[in-house]
Amino acid sequence: GAGVSQSPRYKVAKRGQDVALRCDPISGHVSLFWYQQALGQGPEFLTYFQNEAQLDKSGLPSDRFFAERPEGSVSTLKIQRTQQEDSAVYLCASSSPGRASGGGDTQYFGPGTRLTVL
Amino acid sequence: SQQGEEDPQALSIQEGENATMNCSYKTSINNLQWYRQNSGRGLVHLILIRSNEREKHSGRLRVTLDTSKKSSSLLITASRAADTASYFCAPGPGGGGFKTIFGAGTRLFVKA
Repeated sequence: GAGVSQSPRYKVAKRGQDVALRCDPISGHVSLFWYQQALGQGPEFLTYFQNEAQLDKSGLPSDRFFAERPEGSVSTLKIQRTQQEDSAVYLCASSSPGRASGGGDTQYFGPGTRLTVL
Repeated sequence: SQQGEEDPQALSIQEGENATMNCSYKTSINNLQWYRQNSGRGLVHLILIRSNEREKHSGRLRVTLDTSKKSSSLLITASRAADTASYFCAPGPGGGGFKTIFGAGTRLFVKA
């Protein structure tokens, strides 16, 4: 596609429910990032994939958060047993390594998924 | 990892005026990027400046980089109401690192 797409755009979950957020990166982009953005704050790094390999998951807030990218393209961020503090916008970004690999490359962001946990 | 800290936190100006935002960081970088985020949207890349560059222009945007002071500035000239957004700097980690840590951003409001 022309850009990074994310689905759903909005998700309302009851506390304790599991949710799955999808990211379709730009075709051919090797790097994929997930961020969590609270209202009025900057995006906070969650995890990074290079192709199908999850090279860094240090930003995942708890073991309820799990991300995968099994075929090196589409990625899913899963949150189990959602809590109210999980309410945020979840942003996905992809990039294609240039001279500066990984985080130093231009990242192309999707529109985000706004998760509200009641 | 490398975090950019933007300053000021918020800026309100009249249409036609210039807006200047600053970014500071702590360790060595490969490059530094500026992003814009309109309300309810994802971030959009504005401009990238490499560590061996001191100034770069793109349309009404001018970015400077001072690696000795570990700081960068973004100047938007002749601002428009459509420039109203949050602006984030993203220092590109050196040494092949990949983790990008954004600061809280500068919220720019341009009054028509």
